[in-house]
Amino acid sequence: DGGITQSPKYLFRKEGQNVTLSCEQNLNHDAMYWYRQDPGQGLRLIYYSQIVNDFQKGDIAEGYSVSREKKESFPLTVTSAQKNPTAFYLCASSPQAGGVNEQFFGPGTRLTVL
Amino acid sequence: GQNIDQPTEMTATEGAIVQINCTYQTSGFNGLFWYQQHAGEAPTFLSYNVLDGLEEKGRFSSFLSRSKGYSYLLLKELHMKDSASYLCAVRDHTGGGNKLTFGTGTQLKVEL
Repeated sequence: DGGITQSPKYLFRKEGQNVTLSCEQNLNHDAMYWYRQDPGQGLRLIYYSQIVNDFQKGDIAEGYSVSREKKESFPLTVTSAQKNPTAFYLCASSPQAGGVNEQFFGPGTRLTVL
Repeated sequence: GQNIDQPTEMTATEGAIVQINCTYQTSGFNGLFWYQQHAGEAPTFLSYNVLDGLEEKGRFSSFLSRSKGYSYLLLKELHMKDSASYLCAVRDHTGGGNKLTFGTGTQLKVEL
């Protein structure tokens, strides 16, 4: 089945450690996105990539880094510079711009920094 | 930048109809999306509007007025399973591609 996978579903880390969240899609989508969701808030865009080997900062990129070496994969690293990393992280993908081209979301990773 | 407003919470009765409003301000409007999100799960796509008017899809309909910066999602024959957060998201031309800005979501509670 085609879809987006994120692993793990729950992740715990100690303060000061970097952590990488995985996101893989087999939908052959060009664009991929990372969002953060906090309780009672909407999704906020961290980074996005419209094509392999290219990515742009979203609205809250500070303390995060990404790479896009393969079309299928868009890992997100939460660095120790991120002041409040505990949140629900969602990855999404979509075909390139135009038309409906809605974003499809993965199941999310809930990160807790202790 | 963009500003998207939607009510924080709404309550409705099973079998009834509910309308969830969304207002937005954007400089380069290129489509409005509605997503449904159950607690702890991923958002799922419900509807898309880019031209003025009503789009109907089964029990769900979405309306758009670009001149007023206004959309609504209409849910008919409510089921208990419709209890979820409903997210309004706007796509614009700036930054290119398919970048969306989401509202904070409307938490709908369906009661007996």
